[in-house]
Amino acid sequence: DIHMTQSPSSLSASIGDRVAITCRASQNIGTYLNWYHQKPGKAPKLLIYSASSLQSGVPSRFGGSGSGTAFTLTISSLQPEDFATYFCQQSYSAPFTFGPGTKVDIK
Amino acid sequence: QVELAESGGDLVKPGGSLRLSCAASGFRFDDYYMNWIRQAPGKGLEWISDISSSGKTKKYADSMKGRFTISRDNANNLLYLQLNNLRAEDTAVYYCARGRYYGSGSHFDYWGQGTLVTVSS
Repeated sequence: DIHMTQSPSSLSASIGDRVAITCRASQNIGTYLNWYHQKPGKAPKLLIYSASSLQSGVPSRFGGSGSGTAFTLTISSLQPEDFATYFCQQSYSAPFTFGPGTKVDIK
Repeated sequence: QVELAESGGDLVKPGGSLRLSCAASGFRFDDYYMNWIRQAPGKGLEWISDISSSGKTKKYADSMKGRFTISRDNANNLLYLQLNNLRAEDTAVYYCARGRYYGSGSHFDYWGQGTLVTVSS
């Protein structure tokens, strides 16, 4: 199975801050990497697919980059609705594993 | 609009069984792969299984193979997950999610609200 890690596990930030979350895969997954966020009590929501493609309806302040084993999700200017837990997920091979999550909360 | 609605979650004793359902609407169900994903309380996300649009191809996470069975009813836009021989560690919210598959990649673009399965004596 492909093992996914994320860093940091949590971070505190202010409205308007630029935020970056890193995801690493245990083997080369090309660009088969997706990002989701999840608010308490809600289902996850797709933000970025194929490492850098913005899902329809997702604000352009979200961006994704990377390939191979290292990936980054960037939020250019943090908004109140962005406080959530962020997960990466590989779709290179089944089982489609997720990272452990990065919780973004208010400083 | 796309909607997915899970049902069937319940409190069940260890060793028991349960069948979860996911009702889909707002899209052509038989054009899409479908997935089950779960989340234990306060934990991360764990992919369980997927099924092809026709229902002919199924994949499972190794830890659930043999105990869980995915199936679908394309005539009625329903996805199922049969859970057998349940253990305490199967306690989780179970989500169904639509899969967008392309080449060797995929992503889960719509998720249901989840249904809670609690395994306890």
